[in-house]
Formats: sequence, C-alpha cells, structure tokens
Amino acid sequence: KAGVTQTPRYLIKTRGQQVTLSCSPISGHRSVSWYQQTPGQGLQFLFEYFSETQRNKGNFPGRFSGRQFSNSRSEMNVSTLELGDSALYLCASSLAGADSYEQYFGPGTRLTVT
Amino acid sequence: AQRVTQPEKLLSVFKGAPVELKCNYSYSGSPELFWYVQYSRQRLQLLLRHISRESIKGFTADLNKGETSFHLKKPFAQEEDSAMYYCASSRGTDKLIFGTGTRLQVFP
Repeated sequence: KAGVTQTPRYLIKTRGQQVTLSCSPISGHRSVSWYQQTPGQGLQFLFEYFSETQRNKGNFPGRFSGRQFSNSRSEMNVSTLELGDSALYLCASSLAGADSYEQYFGPGTRLTVT
Repeated sequence: AQRVTQPEKLLSVFKGAPVELKCNYSYSGSPELFWYVQYSRQRLQLLLRHISRESIKGFTADLNKGETSFHLKKPFAQEEDSAMYYCASSRGTDKLIFGTGTRLQVFP
C-alpha cells in the first residue's frame, strides 16, 4: 500500500498570505488528522476529519481550517499567515474503527513564513 | 482534559545501558496508549501500543493504571535507538493527544 502523501513538501510564504496544504491518506483510511509540529511545542493536534465531517478539533484559531473530500483526501488552509505559523504540518490517516486508532503519518509539509 | 506528560526533554545514555522513557497520562476511563518514534529524517511511526503487549525492537511498555503511567523501557540501549519518542493517548474516537516528546541519545 502506498503511504500517506503530502504536498507540497516545502513552502515559503509571507505574513498575511494564505496557504493550502494537501494530504492523501492510505487507501481505505477514512480518518485524516492534522498536526502542527514545532521544536518548542511538539506535536499539537489541529483537527480530524472522518467521512468528510470534522470530528475533533484542537485549540487553534479560526485561521486554521480544513476539509475532506469524498475520496478521503484532505486539505488544510491557513489564512492571514503569521510568523508563528512556521512549522512542520503533519497529516496522519487511520482506519479509525472502534478498536483501532493507529495513525500513519505523512512526511509533512514544512511551512516557513517570512 | 486529556493530557499526556513526558517530563524529560532529553535522555542520554551509553550503549548497553538500560533506558526508561517516562510517560504519564490523565484520562478518565480506559484510554488507549501508544508510543510513537521519529528517527532522524524519517516519518513519525508507531512503535507500540499497550493493547498489543508486544515487544518491538526490544522496547516494552506497561500500562500502570494506578500510577497512570505508560513508561517505555529497553534493557540494553543501542545507538540506532537514538530518536525522538512520543507518548500518545486516545479513547474511542477521541483525538490522539501527544506528549511533548523525549529525545533519546545513545552514545557509543
């Protein structure tokens, strides 16, 4: 099975711009979660989508949003970028069945805001 | 609120020494606990989960409900064990919550 893929891998934006990141889950996985990884804060949960619906949400401002398509692919959008948004954004997919929450991570998109 | 605590940011040991990476959780009921590992320039990946009771790469982790801990242990560390280790917790369809991670350095 192909693993989780994320595009683009690297991105440089300036403050005030917006950005869209994409994630393709493992085939058959219906749950996609997004995380922000920074050296100081570690892995922080952004949100999770399951069957095109946001099922869980972390404590991030409304500038961070996402969506999931019928093929389970997901996009994450950050509007009005701030310097502090510079981070590695990880996407993870899982079967999310009742007895399984093992997540498979993508390589991440490194976002640099200047 | 659900919380996972990893008190050590960095743990340094010599090859062959025992290793214990600490993890404490705060979650009512019966959460599911995981250890994830991120080797240099590799993806974050699952190392082990408590319900499988496996030993992966020589690592084991026992869930202690009384102490709400899920410490990761290995009797003899190897240089290739050097990585970032994250403890994580979830319950049912709740979000997976990660600790802040512990960097393990194994010196030759």
